[in-house]
Amino acid sequence: QSALTQPRSVSGSPGQSVTISCTGTSSDVGAYNYVSWYQQDPGKAPQLIIYDVNNRPSGVPDRFSGSKSGNTASLTISGLQADDEADYYCCSYADNYAYVFGTGTKVTVL
Amino acid sequence: QLQLQESGPGLVKPSETLSLTCTVSGGFINRSSYFWAWIRQSPGKGLEWIGSIYYRGSTYYNTSLKSRVVISVDTSKNQFSLKVNSMTVADTAVYYCARQGGGSGWPPQPDYWGQGSLVTVSS
Repeated sequence: QSALTQPRSVSGSPGQSVTISCTGTSSDVGAYNYVSWYQQDPGKAPQLIIYDVNNRPSGVPDRFSGSKSGNTASLTISGLQADDEADYYCCSYADNYAYVFGTGTKVTVL
Repeated sequence: QLQLQESGPGLVKPSETLSLTCTVSGGFINRSSYFWAWIRQSPGKGLEWIGSIYYRGSTYYNTSLKSRVVISVDTSKNQFSLKVNSMTVADTAVYYCARQGGGSGWPPQPDYWGQGSLVTVSS
């Protein structure tokens, strides 16, 4: 169960869109539509913002959207806001009842 | 509102066994729709899924940690626990307990998390 690969950092200006990629293999991201995304503020626990590739829990703004193509999942933040500045992690089911997380991406709002 | 709270020592000596407990409130651990997981985050690093347990006692572990980890559940106390033996400096991390209850997959995806418990391995 190797960690999924994410860019170390992405940045954008307020109002712009940023996209974070999450690359796995045909045994995890590519095999299942069970990809979730988490937002983590410094010193806090991660919070679920996307599940099942492209579904948002209640209360999560529709500026956050997810997608998947082959072995790569993506999270897009539209209309970037200052409080979107955080670390973001993807997570995928990886067979045998196990999950694997991504390496994490720091989003900076310029 | 579901809440999870980790408890346990903040400092463990090398080669010793870490024991952490997660107390669940605002919901019942013996619900058939959920798994209960431990996830850790080393300082400045990413998240690592350690393993999970179903209320009936079935356990599932990260293959890289399987030989050192035991997860158990006590439904009468609405708690589940983690033991990691032969701790080393590399096991220093914030340990989170979490519910796996999100999405349509089985097992579900992690959705609710505890606040985390920092465990430092040092002599």
